[in-house]
Amino acid sequence: QVQLVESGGGVVQPGRSLRLSCAASGLTFRRNGMHWVRQAPGKGLEWVALIWNDGSNKYYADSVKGRFTISRDNSKNMLYLQMNSLRAEDTAVYYCARDGTKSLDFWGQGTLVTVSS
Amino acid sequence: SYELTQPPSVSVSPGQTASITCSGDKLGDKYPCWYQQKPGQSPVLVIYQDRKRPSGIPERFSGSNSGNTATLTISGTQAMDEADYYCQAWDSSTVVFGGGTKLTVL
Repeated sequence: QVQLVESGGGVVQPGRSLRLSCAASGLTFRRNGMHWVRQAPGKGLEWVALIWNDGSNKYYADSVKGRFTISRDNSKNMLYLQMNSLRAEDTAVYYCARDGTKSLDFWGQGTLVTVSS
Repeated sequence: SYELTQPPSVSVSPGQTASITCSGDKLGDKYPCWYQQKPGQSPVLVIYQDRKRPSGIPERFSGSNSGNTATLTISGTQAMDEADYYCQAWDSSTVVFGGGTKLTVL
């Protein structure tokens, strides 16, 4: 069964950096694109970034472009999100999800990032 | 930027049919999908490519899409279906979510 496990969340001061990780198992990781999606407390889902299966293309939401970087290591079945210049509005649960047929077909349990001084 | 609009809330009585709409420009061409999210849990895909159900999703969940509106229909709604529902579509190479609809079963 597909398992996606996020880690790396925590409390960080505004302007600082944080790197999230997502460990994938139960799937042929190198075959699928991968997403990061976030959800601020009490709010809806917001797509953050997409990386193609081979890492050749990356796409970002305007709200994080230039500050966040998505990457992957297919040899380790790992997905990453490097978050720089963090702001209070980046506070959210961050989910990794597998790219399916025009959908995000499997999601992790999420990791909470709190940006606060 | 592309936008998807959902009603904030929908109420339904147990056993009745619930319909949740999602509106967007030319959404009929974009093969939207739907997610269910219960409190404290991750989203679960319930409909993809307009009307297809992933393995394990009950038959009471169905989808349709035409023109500018997609609809998620839950037939014979059960108490366990009470949740937030989000539609999603692609705009170029980016993903767009609707604002979400809270389904209340009462």
